Amino acid sequence: AQKVTQAQTEISVVEKEDVTLDCVYETRDTTYYLFWYKQPPSGELVFLIRRNSFDEQNEISGRYSWNFQKSTSSFNFTITASQVVDSAVYFCALRSGNTGKLIFGQGTTLQVKP
Amino acid sequence: DTEVTQTPKHLVMGMTNKKSLKCEQHMGHRAMYWYKQKAKKPPELMFVYSYEKLSINESVPSRFSPECPNSSLLNLHLHALQPEDSALYLCASSQDRQLGYTFGSGTRLTVV
Repeated sequence: AQKVTQAQTEISVVEKEDVTLDCVYETRDTTYYLFWYKQPPSGELVFLIRRNSFDEQNEISGRYSWNFQKSTSSFNFTITASQVVDSAVYFCALRSGNTGKLIFGQGTTLQVKP
Repeated sequence: DTEVTQTPKHLVMGMTNKKSLKCEQHMGHRAMYWYKQKAKKPPELMFVYSYEKLSINESVPSRFSPECPNSSLLNLHLHALQPEDSALYLCASSQDRQLGYTFGSGTRLTVV
């Protein structure tokens, strides 16, 4: 079975705090891809990052960083020095096999207060 | 052009109406997708087109009918919908099924 779990339903922080969004996945495939998307109130899904199962190198992009650990089947996302504009729903997603189907977690709503 | 364009942005339709949602991309992507997203839920896959052929139908009711007239265009024809079909309908495309998607901004559909 393939599954993505985002245990944090809602997170509220004050601006400039660091925040980590958790993502745990399940798959039996050896080749798979993990994604993070941001969905602001406008509705569009904004692509943040893609990781394949053979690349466990952590990545940093500005205030965003991702920690991929196959040993714990986790792909966590950290926002450093959060800003109000970071307020959105964040989805972690898994793609495995060759169907092209993305399996999404339930999403984490992040609210950053001024 | 690095966008997926969806029209209309908002649509209100009656249960006896026939309407269509349109999705367009000019990135040369050969896979296109329809997703449905209910409020406070994650997107759920409806259909996948690969090289203009329907490759996945996630047991979607026949009142939703997809069409891919060419490699840049994807339509979703709607007929005799129910109020519970009200949702955000998202279109996406990818270079192939292994790479990341580009999503459109969606059509917010309300069935009355």
